[in-house]
Amino acid sequence: DTEVTQTPKHLVMGMTNKKSLKCEQHMGHRAMYWYKQKAKKPPELMFVYSYEKLSINESVPSRFSPECPNSSLLNLHLHALQPEDSALYLCASSPVQGSRTDTQYFGPGTRLTVL
Amino acid sequence: GQQLNQSPQSMFIQEGEDVSMNCTSSSIFNTWLWYKQDPGEGPVLLIALYKAGELTSNGRLTAQFGITRKDSFLNISASIPSDVGIYFCAGLFGEYGNKLVFGAGTILRVKS
Repeated sequence: DTEVTQTPKHLVMGMTNKKSLKCEQHMGHRAMYWYKQKAKKPPELMFVYSYEKLSINESVPSRFSPECPNSSLLNLHLHALQPEDSALYLCASSPVQGSRTDTQYFGPGTRLTVL
Repeated sequence: GQQLNQSPQSMFIQEGEDVSMNCTSSSIFNTWLWYKQDPGEGPVLLIALYKAGELTSNGRLTAQFGITRKDSFLNISASIPSDVGIYFCAGLFGEYGNKLVFGAGTILRVKS
């Protein structure tokens, strides 16, 4: 089973709202990732968690706040977003950070629209 | 930083034809991955390549990890309508091998 699940599938929010995106995997993977993907572009890395600790922040604005409550869950908290933050947000996981078998498996994404 | 040059940008082919796309880079990668993404969905892993020179098949798909570790190709044989989508190559790099950089993608359209 190589399934990563994400909720919600779609989210519409105003610039003053606070919302959260959720990601879950039950493959025993110890690295989890958030990506942002704009239309017709490849995914861009935002954050990497390894063994529930934040290991990479690709200079993402503080209005995006990641959280990894346990090895199966990854959240992305959103606050005071801008319309240009509208995108497909993808979660991914991989078995072991730093391993040559560190293949990343993606979830279906959350389509976010900021009004 | 690391960049992948993926070509062609798009393809429009007849059903039943073979398809080939490739990625090149000036950087060395330890792992090459090929993904397919349908509209509104996440990328789905097609093939993973871990060793220079490695040739791997997955059904009608075949991919190779270039011997210089700077390139990879993906072939699809006997294309069918459900092959439509965007194909991305991706390379793993970084101190801990956990940063994935993507090519710009190849849009595949199949004429039935």
